Amino acid sequence: KAGVTQTPRYLIKTRGQQVTLSCSPISGHRSVSWYQQTPGQGLQFLFEYFSETQRNKGNFPGRFSGRQFSNSRSEMNVSTLELGDSALYLCASSLVGVRFWAGELFFGEGSRLTVL
Amino acid sequence: AQSVTQLDSHVSVSEGTPVLLRCNYSSSYSPSLFWYVQHPNKGLQLLLKYTSAATLVKGINGFEAEFKKSETSFHLTKPSAHMSDAAEYFCVVSPTGGFKTIFGAGTRLFVKA
Repeated sequence: KAGVTQTPRYLIKTRGQQVTLSCSPISGHRSVSWYQQTPGQGLQFLFEYFSETQRNKGNFPGRFSGRQFSNSRSEMNVSTLELGDSALYLCASSLVGVRFWAGELFFGEGSRLTVL
Repeated sequence: AQSVTQLDSHVSVSEGTPVLLRCNYSSSYSPSLFWYVQHPNKGLQLLLKYTSAATLVKGINGFEAEFKKSETSFHLTKPSAHMSDAAEYFCVVSPTGGFKTIFGAGTRLFVKA
């Protein structure tokens, strides 16, 4: 069974640009969540999508957005990039019910974004 | 409100000696608790999880953790460290019945030859 796939693995952008990251979950997983990981702030929850709907959102500015497609693949977008957006962005998928979750997260290897 | 505190940012052990990584949690609900491991430039991998069944949970690669409600702790242990265990470890809490995961700050484990 294929794992969670994130693309691209590495990318370099300049301030003010925008970036789109992609995540393909494990087949059958309908929940996809995104996390930002930095040395200073650790792992922070960005948002979670389930059946094309954003179900939970972390405390990030509106420049961070995402969406999920009918095949459960998800994208996240960061507009007007700032130096502080340099981070490892991790995607995780999970097998969840409609109203509850008590399972585990399956992570991709991440997309490392460097903003110059 | 939920929170999770990993009591050590770094732990260093010698190969073949026991490992103890400490985690305390706070949760208003009956929580699910997890330990994940992250090797350099990789995603996180689940080591083990507690979901209100047995309080002593066994995971992969010889790791185990004990849920102690009275102490609100979920410490991770391994009897004998291996060089390949060198990585960062995250304690995670999630309330049963809802989706919101709180990650600890992580503990970096160093294993000396």
